Amino acid sequence: AQTVTQSQPEMSVQEAETVTLSCTYDTSESDYYLFWYKQPPSRQMILVIRQEAYKQQNATENRFSVNFQKAAKSFSLKISDSQLGDAAMYFCAYRSELWTGTASKLTFGTGTRLQVTL
Amino acid sequence: KAGVTQTPRYLIKTRGQQVTLSCSPISGHRSVSWYQQTPGQGLQFLFEYFSETQRNKGNFPGRFSGRQFSNSRSEMNVSTLELGDSALYLCASSKGMSGETQYFGPGTRLLVL
Repeated sequence: AQTVTQSQPEMSVQEAETVTLSCTYDTSESDYYLFWYKQPPSRQMILVIRQEAYKQQNATENRFSVNFQKAAKSFSLKISDSQLGDAAMYFCAYRSELWTGTASKLTFGTGTRLQVTL
Repeated sequence: KAGVTQTPRYLIKTRGQQVTLSCSPISGHRSVSWYQQTPGQGLQFLFEYFSETQRNKGNFPGRFSGRQFSNSRSEMNVSTLELGDSALYLCASSKGMSGETQYFGPGTRLLVL
């Protein structure tokens, strides 16, 4: 079974600065998808960014980018020019490329709470 | 395009009762997944439905059940509620193909007294 580990329960960043959230995962599969979701106080889970394992190029979405290291099974999220609205719980998630059996579910890490200060 | 909707948003029940939660996916999405979120256990997968068939089930007791209708709307039911069922229940939809991104609804917050 796949596992996702987020070792930073809380992080803090000053507005306009850059912060990196860590995520490692364990899998025996070669094809899979990785995601970062953001959950603000409203509790709505919002997709931040997605990475396909077969792509060597790191995904970027505006101020959000990832550092995907497949061999190390590491998937960190970098937030540049942090804004007050970035304050939220961030979850790293894994999904198998397969869609049979239990493979199509998302497996989540425990989350990292990001605080943004003035 | 409208997002995933969940009703009701908040619910208070007492032990022993049953509850039904509803989820309407994004138009065109045929897969609906349900997750339970609690402070102690985090986010846990409940089940997934695709084209009215349960394709996937997590490790939850039989008190937790679900179904999907022909219009892809899904319901989940919890019978004989226990205090430990208090949680945020999140529904997510996707097109249902391999690796498709799941988009989440706002959740239903259930409190069992």
